[in-house]
Amino acid sequence: DAKTTQPPSMDCAEGRAANLPCNHSTISGNEYVYWYRQIHSQGPQYIIHGLKNNETNEMASLIITEDRKSSTLILPHATLRDTAVYYCIVRRKYSGGGADGLTFGKGTHLIIQP
Amino acid sequence: DARVTQTPRDKVTEMGQEVTMRCQPILGHNTVFWYRQTMMQGLELLAYFRNRAPLDDSGMPKDRFSAEMPDATLATLKIQPSEPRDSAVYFCASGLDTLQGTAGELFFGEGSRLTVL
Repeated sequence: DAKTTQPPSMDCAEGRAANLPCNHSTISGNEYVYWYRQIHSQGPQYIIHGLKNNETNEMASLIITEDRKSSTLILPHATLRDTAVYYCIVRRKYSGGGADGLTFGKGTHLIIQP
Repeated sequence: DARVTQTPRDKVTEMGQEVTMRCQPILGHNTVFWYRQTMMQGLELLAYFRNRAPLDDSGMPKDRFSAEMPDATLATLKIQPSEPRDSAVYFCASGLDTLQGTAGELFFGEGSRLTVL
């Protein structure tokens, strides 16, 4: 699986948009970009995923560059409860069904400041 | 709300004892994953199953760890004998793989915190 690079930590003011970058320059054509987060002492939580188009759901937006070598997760109005470690992961998906397990890196520790 | 259930939530044991952690995946899910998390190593994939068959356990120390799925509603991770370096939080996750190849999300349990003295 392709490796990802994320900044180890970021701060964001409450109510502002949090933009979390991720580099995945060796991503291959059949790999999706996933974002998960882990709030202290809880299990990781799925946020969003995408292949090449931008995606949006009730939690966040995912912007993937045209060459797919990097992406940005956007939390549009960050709250204190968004303080967590955010993981950017690339994961293979086989057209015949099935996929590999998620390989977590160190992630970005996002701290939302009041 | 459907959720992955793990037991025990906390376990303290002495070196050399057998430890069994259990996971009930979300009903209908066909993949189960075991992860271990420590401060030093972060989240490590230990093993995973699809349709109850083990697909990859390359991340698991074979001499003392074993993972099984006796049925579709139960996954177990056993450590025998346990050692202090096994102290960690163990997470189970489940997901649904389809023949259409839809990339699905994984749902994680709250974890089992193991302390081996």
